[in-house]
Amino acid sequence: EPEVTQTPSHQVTQMGQEVILRCVPISNHLYFYWYRQILGQKVEFLVSFYNNEISEKSEIFDDQFSVERPDGSNFTLKIRSTKLEDSAMYFCASSEGSFATNEKLFFGSGTQLSVL
Amino acid sequence: AQKVTQAQTEISVVEKEDVTLDCVYETRDTTYYLFWYKQPPSGELVFLIRRNSFDEQNEISGRYSWNFQKSTSSFNFTITASQVVDSAVYFCALFWRAFGSGNTGKLIFGQGTTLQVKP
Repeated sequence: EPEVTQTPSHQVTQMGQEVILRCVPISNHLYFYWYRQILGQKVEFLVSFYNNEISEKSEIFDDQFSVERPDGSNFTLKIRSTKLEDSAMYFCASSEGSFATNEKLFFGSGTQLSVL
Repeated sequence: AQKVTQAQTEISVVEKEDVTLDCVYETRDTTYYLFWYKQPPSGELVFLIRRNSFDEQNEISGRYSWNFQKSTSSFNFTITASQVVDSAVYFCALFWRAFGSGNTGKLIFGQGTTLQVKP
């Protein structure tokens, strides 16, 4: 089965540093998402991306966050100045269509971000 | 507001026991989609099932079965003859899209139920 690929699997950074989390969605998918999971908590929606622009974002996704699809395959999440509370598992996800049909969301294996 | 509640935080069973994980959802939408995901200790999210609101037929897949009851807004998940490999966190989720927007929509997850199956 095709996979969503995320790199790196673990990222350790110092508070205030910029980090970029990378994702390669499934090749024919058109909708891209970032979710995050703080340790021991539920998975939370951050942002969705379609047609080269942000479609929807949550209140968590403030000005410190940005997303980009720099080429035809990668989808990145940038955190400009990391805070301790940004420590979490970040999941990238993609889907082929818009959920009106039998779509399911394919998740990557996640990037564990630790901010020290 | 859209919400998913998984009231069981942790469940512990002995191998071969049957176990049911509860999920209750809230939505005003008449069309919606429900999901179950498994998160094993390795951390990835594994898709288990999607159910559309207009399809109330229950589903069985091997040892897994799902009971969708619109009348009680529940979408419960049963594992029959549990195995140690079933030990994981299980998330129920509701797909929701804001009306009238061009939004892609999002999955709203419950808090998850940690299932421990002991040998």
